[in-house]
Amino acid sequence: DTGVSQNPRHKITKRGQNVTFRCDPISEHNRLYWYRQTLGQGPEFLTYFQNEAQLEKSRLLSDRFSAERPKGSFSTLEIQRTEQGDSAMYLCASSSSGTKIETQYFGPGTRLLVL
Amino acid sequence: GNSVTQMEGPVTLSEEAFLTINCTYTATGYPSLFWYVQYPGEGLQLLLKATKADDKGSNKGFEATYRKETTSFHLEKGSVQVSDSAVYFCALSDRYGNKLVFGAGTILRVKS
Repeated sequence: DTGVSQNPRHKITKRGQNVTFRCDPISEHNRLYWYRQTLGQGPEFLTYFQNEAQLEKSRLLSDRFSAERPKGSFSTLEIQRTEQGDSAMYLCASSSSGTKIETQYFGPGTRLLVL
Repeated sequence: GNSVTQMEGPVTLSEEAFLTINCTYTATGYPSLFWYVQYPGEGLQLLLKATKADDKGSNKGFEATYRKETTSFHLEKGSVQVSDSAVYFCALSDRYGNKLVFGAGTILRVKS
């Protein structure tokens, strides 16, 4: 078990460019979550998948944001036409699903800076 | 909607002091409650959790009790160490353990 991994760890881009982040969950986990964390705040939920199905999206996830999990394994989060307000840490988490409350395990995050 | 409120930091303590970080929540239904910790340069780690009223979560000397009557989940430790210096986040999830709602975090600094 190598934990949740995220790539890249850091991304600097210019306003208006598109960026894509990748998350590889813990292998046996069928749930995958994306959160966004800005400086001095707690993480905010963006979206989550169970297997390949995207089951919920936050209103924070504008139409410039899209997330996929095509084969129920890794996931990508794309931001189109980036804005300076998109600068944040993007966190991925994974968990298994079952009859009890499962722990979400977080990756190290991708820090995005939009210039 | 659901929300979590934590005491503001930073909290600065001397080694071996008693720690309390207050956390209160607003939620519909029966949420589960969590404390996550973020050490410098590392990702979020689950510290402890409680899934129903009066449950006590504990780990590494930290404890928190799910108090439904006061909608609280305060984090306590009897004797802090320098290595406990980190940011602590209180969070809740719905009954199915889906999306987490986090507080703003409390910075803890422990001096030797």
